[in-house]
Parts: sequence; C-alpha cells; structure tokens
Amino acid sequence: GAGVSQSPSNKVTEKGKDVELRCDPISGHTALYWYRQSLGQGLEFLIYFQGNSAPDKSGLPSDRFSAERTGGSVSTLTIQRTQQEDSAVYLCASSPSGTEPYEQYFGPGTRLTVT
Amino acid sequence: EDQVTQSPEALRLQEGESSSLNCSYTVSGLRGLFWYRQDPGKGPEFLFTLYSAGEEKEKERLKATLTKKESFLHITAPKPEDSATYLCAVHTGGFKTIFGAGTRLFVKA
Repeated sequence: GAGVSQSPSNKVTEKGKDVELRCDPISGHTALYWYRQSLGQGLEFLIYFQGNSAPDKSGLPSDRFSAERTGGSVSTLTIQRTQQEDSAVYLCASSPSGTEPYEQYFGPGTRLTVT
Repeated sequence: EDQVTQSPEALRLQEGESSSLNCSYTVSGLRGLFWYRQDPGKGPEFLFTLYSAGEEKEKERLKATLTKKESFLHITAPKPEDSATYLCAVHTGGFKTIFGAGTRLFVKA
C-alpha cells in the first residue's frame, strides 16, 4: 500500500512569506505527527493529531506555526511570516494509534529554505 | 524531564568490524523503545520496537537489546550499505515520542 506522502518535496521562499506544507498519511492511521529536523540534528516534535484533534500544541515554536487535519486524513502545516531560522526539513509521520506504542511511518519530508 | 541520549554521535567502522550503538533514557514510564534508520534525504525507517527490559530483537546484521536504563543496537559484520543515521525514540504513554539526536554510522569497504 501507499506510504506517507508529503508535498512539496522542496520549498524555497522569501523571508516574510507564508508557506503551507502538506501531509497525506497512511490510510486508516488515526495518529499523525509533525516534526522538524535541522541539519545534522535529531527530530523536534511539533504537533500531534489524534483524528482531527490536536491534544498538544506545545511543540509549535511560535504562534506563526499552525496545523490542521481534516477528515481524519490530510494535514497541513502552515508557517506565517517565515524567518530564516525556519529553514529545516519538516517530517510528517502517521501511526495506527497515538496513545499506544506503535511505530511511526515517516514521509520523505519537505525541505524548506527561507532566503 | 524525559530525556533520550545517544552515543557516540558518529562512528566509523571498517567493513566487518562489529560494534554497538547506545541509547540511554530517563523517562517517567517507558511504554516502548524504537530504533529507526535514516538515510540522507529520506525520512526515518522503522527497525525495531522493544517493550520491556530483557527483550531482544534481530534483523539481518542488527540486534537490539533493552535494559531498564538503556538500549543497544549491535551491528555484526557491518557492510557499507549499513551506513546511515540510527535514531532511538521512546514512547512514554499519552502520545509523545521522544527522539534522540542519533548516531551517524559510516562503514568503509
């Protein structure tokens, strides 16, 4: 079956512009995660969805970051007024459940470069 | 505060030279420990889940073990294609999974 897909694969934007990153999880997975990975660094947790609800938004770095999930499927991560420090790879993952210790399946990521 | 620490940061091996990667954790309640492999430019790929101390799992040249404080990923007779970053992560209940910074493995032919 299809894995997790993300689009675009690469995004170059000017400082101050808004960007939207999309994630299509594995069908039937109720849990969806967004992470940020800076060059040579580990994964920084951003937000988690169980269904369409986000129980914890504490990982979002600032109020310029927001995310939504619709129909228990597709999720969009929006970054407003992008800054150079937002440059990173944004990874999405899905899992059969967020409250049980299931493995996560990752997409290929979106590489965001803010110039 | 829950924390996951991986060591070493980088490891260079000759082909066939066995070694181990370490993942130490301090968490309030471990529900599962995961190992992932990440190749450059790609998302992490799941390898193993360990649930309780004493558990071991194997896959090809890789063997993961778990104690109450740490996990090891043993690599036996590695090949150049094993070169990647290996990530450890812990699930502590609720929804949050905490990732370590990873160990970059380089295997030279």
